[in-house]
Amino acid sequence: QVQLVQSGAEVKKPGSSVKVSCKASGGTFSNYEISWVRQAPGQGLEWVGGTIPMFATINNAQKFQGRVKITADKSTSTAYMDLSSLRSEDTAMYYCARGVGATPSQYAFDIWGQGTMVTVSS
Amino acid sequence: SYELTQPPSVSVSPGQTASITCSGDKLGDKYVCWYQQKPGQSPMLVIYQNYKRPSGIPERFSGSNFGNTATLTISGTQAIDEADYYCQAWDSTTAAFGGGTKVTVL
Repeated sequence: QVQLVQSGAEVKKPGSSVKVSCKASGGTFSNYEISWVRQAPGQGLEWVGGTIPMFATINNAQKFQGRVKITADKSTSTAYMDLSSLRSEDTAMYYCARGVGATPSQYAFDIWGQGTMVTVSS
Repeated sequence: SYELTQPPSVSVSPGQTASITCSGDKLGDKYVCWYQQKPGQSPMLVIYQNYKRPSGIPERFSGSNFGNTATLTISGTQAIDEADYYCQAWDSTTAAFGGGTKVTVL
C-alpha cells in the first residue's frame, strides 16, 4: 500500500522560502497525479497545485502563480513544493495527496500525507 | 476561480440521516469527491466520481450530483461520523474545494 511521508515542521521568516517534500513508499509514483493542499489553522482546504511526474505536467492555482514551484524526482519517488515570498497568511498545514482517475477531471485524492506545518513568523 | 459552496454546519441525531450540499455552477457536469476530516487528522476520501465509495467506506455514505448541487448523504449517522466534510471538483486543470461542513451528531 502506497504511503506518502512528508518532511518535518518548518518555521520561517516573512519574505523567505520553504521547501516541503513528499516521499511515496510502497508503490509506483510517477503514474499518478500529486497535489499540494494547504489548510490554515481553523480553516478549510485550499488546493495549491499539482504535478504528474510521468508527464512532467504542472498546474498551480492562480493565487500562487509566481510564488510556488512544484517538482518531482521520479528516481526517488519524491515530490516537492517550494513556496517563496512567505507571509504570515501562508502559515498552514501543507498536505500532499495522490490523485487517481482515468482522466484529470476524475482525479480523486485517495492517499494523503501526514501534513507539514509551516509557520511564518518574525 | 471556480467556487463551491457548502453550509457551515449540519446537526443530526444518532441513527438519523445527514445531508450535506455542495453548490457550484453547472456542478452536475463535473465529477465530485467528498472528504472527511477529523480533528488532527489528514482528510480521507469517502466518495469519488459523484457516488462511488472507496474500499472500506461504509455503505451509509452515499453521494449524488445533479444540476448545480451535489449531495453527500450519511444514513444511520453514528457518533464516529462527527467530522468536517469537504466537497471537491476539478475546473479544467484546477481543483476546487468547498468551504467545509461541520457535522455534529447530537
